[in-house]
Amino acid sequence: EPEVTQTPSHQVTQMGQEVILRCVPISNHLYFYWYRQILGQKVEFLVSFYNNEISEKSEIFDDQFSVERPDGSNFTLKIRSTKLEDSAMYFCARQDSVRYGYTFGSGTRLTVV
Amino acid sequence: SQQGEEDPQALSIQEGENATMNCSYKTSINNLQWYRQNSGRGLVHLILIRSNEREKHSGRLRVTLDTSKKSSSLLITASRAADTASYFCATAYLNTDKLIFGTGTRLQVFP
Repeated sequence: EPEVTQTPSHQVTQMGQEVILRCVPISNHLYFYWYRQILGQKVEFLVSFYNNEISEKSEIFDDQFSVERPDGSNFTLKIRSTKLEDSAMYFCARQDSVRYGYTFGSGTRLTVV
Repeated sequence: SQQGEEDPQALSIQEGENATMNCSYKTSINNLQWYRQNSGRGLVHLILIRSNEREKHSGRLRVTLDTSKKSSSLLITASRAADTASYFCATAYLNTDKLIFGTGTRLQVFP
């Protein structure tokens, strides 16, 4: 199975700007996820995406966040108007199977200034 | 809260020693998974144990699950300096497809 690759690896953005985090390539899996990890803290679930629809989302995933699968191989997380507290490491993941767990991407470090 | 807790928060050992990390959770699960994270890097899946399993091995890793106590342990035998990382348990609860991560254990293995 190919690795899950995220781009960019690091993004610095001004508060209030929009950012799009990308997860590529995606194989023919149905289940995708976004998680985030604020520096020094635990990994938190943001949203799960199944069969091109959001299947579950956390309280963190408010109206400022959206996810898309714009084509067959990309999976994106958009933050419309970034806040300082959005600074974190963002991970996408796919579920390989219930038996084998998840494959996480290498992460995008988002810094909001 | 469904979130798991791990102990110890930090563990320092010498190469060759065994390292044991523990994880507790709150409600019924489908499975429990252990992940490793090197500093500032991504999460690497180590092992998955299902709710009907009690023990699982993978190389130098041994995971146990006690559903009556809602706890799991990860044992790394004959540790190496390269095992230095943070280790997280993550639970997949019933009727949900998300993982809930524990607080993690920072393991330092000295050569």
